[in-house]
Amino acid sequence: QSVLTQPPSVSGAPGQRVSLSCAGTSSNIGAGFDTHWYQHVPGEAPKLLIFGSNNRPSGVPDRFSGSKSGTSASLAITGLQAEDEADYYCQSYDSSLSVWVFGGGTKLTVL
Amino acid sequence: QVQLQESGPGLVKPSQTLSLTCTVSGGSITSGGYYWTWIRQHPGKGLEWIGYIYYTGITYYNPSLESRVTISVDTSENQFSLKLYSVTAADTALYFCARYDSSGYYYLFDSWGQGTLVTVSS
Repeated sequence: QSVLTQPPSVSGAPGQRVSLSCAGTSSNIGAGFDTHWYQHVPGEAPKLLIFGSNNRPSGVPDRFSGSKSGTSASLAITGLQAEDEADYYCQSYDSSLSVWVFGGGTKLTVL
Repeated sequence: QVQLQESGPGLVKPSQTLSLTCTVSGGSITSGGYYWTWIRQHPGKGLEWIGYIYYTGITYYNPSLESRVTISVDTSENQFSLKLYSVTAADTALYFCARYDSSGYYYLFDSWGQGTLVTVSS
């Protein structure tokens, strides 16, 4: 059971918009610790996608955006492309556990 | 662009020690502000932070694993290593090494290896 809760899967057709949720608690996201998102294509190295809730590293398309509200965070992907098919993980820090924590991951399928 | 690559046995027997090495290229492991980290992913599950080491040797481990983990660094080889003792089948996972960047405003895992699968089985 991951500390941060993500839906196991989400799907969308090319060109559509999808939103991935990440539910935390008052000891991690809700405590104000930064939330980051990573994209992982199996067999490849995970890649930082969004940092500080809604900032993109250079090279990440602006189709990807993040937001945070209360104890939750979200990742939105617009204009879905086949290359977006991957696993997406949210990450924060938990002050009760004193560890960096991740979500269970959401598998995005582009139909 | 720094790159990380994990290496080590893919099969470990129960009760033995899991040993993995992460080789860093494209940057120095002694660069300030970076913590060299191990993270694992159990089959079909999320990611679990194991621990990190700073190039000076300072370590911090996940309390749930602390009694069985040692992370060390070899600055001459630009490598850092993980040892997990007394393994069981529950330690079967995909093990990643990553760089934790605390040099900027945001602290985050900015570079990762591809991961190496370790199976614990007799």
